[in-house]
Amino acid sequence: SYVVTQPPSVSVAPGQTATISCGGYNIGHIGVHWYQKKSGQAPVLVVHDNTDRPSGIPDRISGSSSEDTATLTIRGVEAGDEADYYCQVWDTSDDQPVFGGGTTLSVL
Amino acid sequence: QALLQESGPGLVKPSETLSLTCSVSGVSFGTQIRAWVRQPPGQGLEWIGYIYSSGSTSYNPSLRSRVSMSMDPTKNQFSLKLTSVTSADTAVYFCARLNSNHVDFWGQGTLVTVSS
Repeated sequence: SYVVTQPPSVSVAPGQTATISCGGYNIGHIGVHWYQKKSGQAPVLVVHDNTDRPSGIPDRISGSSSEDTATLTIRGVEAGDEADYYCQVWDTSDDQPVFGGGTTLSVL
Repeated sequence: QALLQESGPGLVKPSETLSLTCSVSGVSFGTQIRAWVRQPPGQGLEWIGYIYSSGSTSYNPSLRSRVSMSMDPTKNQFSLKLTSVTSADTAVYFCARLNSNHVDFWGQGTLVTVSS
């Protein structure tokens, strides 16, 4: 089954840029989706299909991908961005979604 | 406004069956897929499985022997059953709508604790 790998944590100062990676074999060739998960709340889709933002998601949040890594970038980080971020892909071999382990974003 | 609401017992005894229902309003599922996801305390998100509008299902292989899902479109509801639960099944359970291959709507989640 397909495995996606995320760093456990990322820390940035307010106003700086946070980058959260999601690694997987040839991940640049499949759709990657990103969710923001705050404690006690439901996840929120922030990027789908590598680069598309749902309505209501600010453009300081963006997604990109290359050969084996997808990246979620948050510019001008605010205290309200503190959350866990999960990437997700579709494993066609199992016909199942797969989540990364999640990355905790801390705003210093 | 889309609303998915999970309901069911918050406490289940070990070896018994966990049963949850998701009630949907404000959004049409059409051909989209109904899904269940859980998050154990202090851990990440885990797919449980999903059910197509046709009624066919697909389950996480690690849970397949214990999971079943069903739906009642006339009531705008779909359900999850997980048998022979243990403490490892203690988690917040989310119902969701899969749009193509990602989730675009989530329920608020409900905590289910497995304990005697």
